[in-house]
Amino acid sequence: IQLTQSPSSLSASIGDRVTITCRASQGIGGYLAWYQQKLGKAPKLLIYGASTLQSGVPSRFSGSGSGTDFTLTISSLQPEDFATYYCQQLYSYPSTFGQGTRLDIK
Amino acid sequence: QVQLLESGGGVVQPGRSLRLSCAASGFIFSSSGMHWVRQAPGKGLEWVAVISSDGSIKFYADSVKGRFTISRDNSQNTLYLQMNSLRPEDTAVYYCAKEGTMTSFDSWGQGTLVTVSS
Repeated sequence: IQLTQSPSSLSASIGDRVTITCRASQGIGGYLAWYQQKLGKAPKLLIYGASTLQSGVPSRFSGSGSGTDFTLTISSLQPEDFATYYCQQLYSYPSTFGQGTRLDIK
Repeated sequence: QVQLLESGGGVVQPGRSLRLSCAASGFIFSSSGMHWVRQAPGKGLEWVAVISSDGSIKFYADSVKGRFTISRDNSQNTLYLQMNSLRPEDTAVYYCAKEGTMTSFDSWGQGTLVTVSS
């Protein structure tokens, strides 16, 4: 199953609302997760089950979608949110990741 | 708290072997599926392999099938990745990850770098 994220990169300002999309090549139900990765660090789980916020993750992050189309939204960008974001399908093996969306400061 | 600590990375020549380890603590290791994920320099994440909690079920990425073997020792709370017939394209940081709700990866190690080069 292929995952296509868009955009591949994005420039935004503090306080902006940002949306990243992830499209699956076939239906995956709600078996989608979102991760944040900062430079030189391990990924961090943000969202699982397409829309459930992982414990400890700020509520400005939200996820939606099912089937083939999914979105990650950051409601009001904070300085610590500038990172690369990946979606991942967990519907079937081999599990796959999207190519990533790099979010940087405008 | 959950801790995952990878070790065993290094520089190895093409065609040689290497075994990675991931020492786990802070959770019931024998109850969790475990994964390996890798990231080539400057590239995205690539899932490598999964092993079920009791070690009876394993799946691999096509890129490593037949060359890599995932295993675990629940008595030692340790996950392994045996990598044989290494290729330059296997050069990456290798992460171990714990499986959580809906099989998402809720905890990750800090990674260990494997460099395959002559």
